[in-house]
Amino acid sequence: DIQMTQSPSSLSASVGDRVTISCRASQGINNYLAWYQQKPGKVPKLLIYAASTLQSGVPSRFSGSGSGADFTLTISNLQPEDVATYYCQNYNSAPTWTFGQGTKVEIK
Amino acid sequence: EVQLVESGGGLIQPGGSLRLSCVASGVTVSSNYMSWVRQAPGKGLEWVSVIYSGGSTYNADSVKGRFSISRDTSKNTLYLQMNRLRVEDTAVYYCARNYGDYEEWFDLWGQGTLVTVSS
Repeated sequence: DIQMTQSPSSLSASVGDRVTISCRASQGINNYLAWYQQKPGKVPKLLIYAASTLQSGVPSRFSGSGSGADFTLTISNLQPEDVATYYCQNYNSAPTWTFGQGTKVEIK
Repeated sequence: EVQLVESGGGLIQPGGSLRLSCVASGVTVSSNYMSWVRQAPGKGLEWVSVIYSGGSTYNADSVKGRFSISRDTSKNTLYLQMNRLRVEDTAVYYCARNYGDYEEWFDLWGQGTLVTVSS
């Protein structure tokens, strides 16, 4: 099974900061990666698919990059409403899907 | 409005059974790949089960042989039958639509239903 490892597990940053979250797969997965945002007490929301394609309606301060086994989610100009846990998801191994363990983003 | 609404969660003893339902509006369950994804309290997301539009089903190893996914086309409803429940099955269970050229990611989620397995 392909394992997904996110780092860091949590971070604290100031409003306006640029934040980066890493997701590493245990083997290459091409660009078969999605990112989700889950605000406290809420349902996960799709942000990015195909490693770098922004889902409709997602603010442009969110961006994704990477291919192979290493991926990054970047939030430029962090906003208070971005406080959430972010998950990467591999879909290279359908019909099973795996998520990273999550990265919690807080405001300093 | 496009939405998924789960129900059927509750408190159940270890070894018991429970059936979750997910009623879809604005989306046709039988025309899509549909999954169940769970989240244990304070933990991350775990994919559980999928049913393809053609009817094929697959389960995560952690629930294989105990859980089964199905659908009722006439009711536009997705189900998850959970048998031989364990304490570690305690979680919020979400139904979700698989989307993409090959149904790769989850673009639509229900609000979730909580299953608590405890004696």
